[in-house]
Amino acid sequence: SQTIHQWPATLVQPVGSPLSLECTVEGTSNPNLYWYRQAAGRGLQLLFYSVGIGQISSEVPQNLSASRPQDRQFILSSKKLLLSDSGFYLCAWRGTGRGYGYTFGSGTRLTVV
Amino acid sequence: AQSVTQPDIHITVSEGASLELRCNYSYGATPYLFWYVQSPGQGLQLLLKYFSGDTLVQGIKGFEAEFKRSQSSFNLRKPSVHWSDAAEYFCAVGVGSGYSTLTFGKGTMLLVSP
Repeated sequence: SQTIHQWPATLVQPVGSPLSLECTVEGTSNPNLYWYRQAAGRGLQLLFYSVGIGQISSEVPQNLSASRPQDRQFILSSKKLLLSDSGFYLCAWRGTGRGYGYTFGSGTRLTVV
Repeated sequence: AQSVTQPDIHITVSEGASLELRCNYSYGATPYLFWYVQSPGQGLQLLLKYFSGDTLVQGIKGFEAEFKRSQSSFNLRKPSVHWSDAAEYFCAVGVGSGYSTLTFGKGTMLLVSP
């Protein structure tokens, strides 16, 4: 069966520090991969998605970047965090066949101080 | 572009009472429709989905949803709410069989009173 792993679960980082959040999927190949952010009261904001290795689509211009170095690995990064980067970050994957919904990871709570 | 509206930000339901959460979408053709649930501090879990066929779909945890094309709606229902159903619920839409992304509503927070 397919599983998605996202870590760390919580993170407290000072302003100006770098960020790296990792997401991996097991049990499938060539998934679509996604990074979302939830800020309080603002719903789900799509940040990046990828339909293949090295292919990244950015939905929102911001202080963050994403990479997909391997088929089932998706990394969210920042060189210098801002206070506004605080939030709940969710990774998700989707199979490429018809009828797939997203499967979400358990999320990372990032607090920038 | 497609959009999803969940008109209720918060809903309070007594335990044992019935529940209906509203979802309306904006798209010309029949979209792919989903309902997700999120408990505090957790990821989202898929409750049910609709692609085609029977407009009443059954999901996990006793939930069901009905697709009404004429109203562009996909409302979520449960006949008897349990305290453990308290969570945030998200409706989402994907467009086209090869949709790359889902568009999510802003969510409805369900509170269950004893």
